[in-house]
Amino acid sequence: GNSVTQMEGPVTLSEEAFLTINCTYTATGYPSLFWYVQYPGEGLQLLLKATKADDKGSNKGFEATYRKETTSFHLEKGSVQVSDSAVYFCALRGGYQKVTFGTGTKLQVIP
Amino acid sequence: EPEVTQTPSHQVTQMGQEVILRCVPISNHLYFYWYRQILGQKVEFLVSFYNNEISEKSEIFDDQFSVERPDGSNFTLKIRSTKLEDSAMYFCASSRTGENTGELFFGEGSRLTVL
Repeated sequence: GNSVTQMEGPVTLSEEAFLTINCTYTATGYPSLFWYVQYPGEGLQLLLKATKADDKGSNKGFEATYRKETTSFHLEKGSVQVSDSAVYFCALRGGYQKVTFGTGTKLQVIP
Repeated sequence: EPEVTQTPSHQVTQMGQEVILRCVPISNHLYFYWYRQILGQKVEFLVSFYNNEISEKSEIFDDQFSVERPDGSNFTLKIRSTKLEDSAMYFCASSRTGENTGELFFGEGSRLTVL
């Protein structure tokens, strides 16, 4: 079945540092890939998505590129802010199926 | 902007009691889901629902769980006899399409505490 593996957290960075959160996936067919973010005490919000190979999703300074050859969808941001502190979930959706989530990576940004 | 709404935001119940969690999905969405998250850990799939029937369920979704869409707007999750391990945050989600390009929109969650 489909699965998502993402790097263990927590990740602690200083403000304005570069962020990478690794995500790899296993799936049959051609899934779409997503990053969701969960701020403390809140629900899950879609951060960005990519629906086919080589697509780049971007939002709020975050980017991720759908790499079929390496089955990866790493999340990056050039300069993190304290307000980016949250848990980030990589996820995939196969055709007419549920969304499958990774285990989540907690990001803490310190001033 | 349309959103998924869930009630209650927090419910405390005694072990063995029945609980109903309610969700109002986005109005033109056709696919509905329940997920749960225990103590900020992994987001686990429970069940998906389309065309008034369950389309997929996980092994977590045993006979103690049921879902229904009683009136065309609400989507409910019932736990018949709660156990301590049912304590979790329960998220409802909806999607306009079943195709893989469609993202799920999540509610703010209902926190269930079983004592």
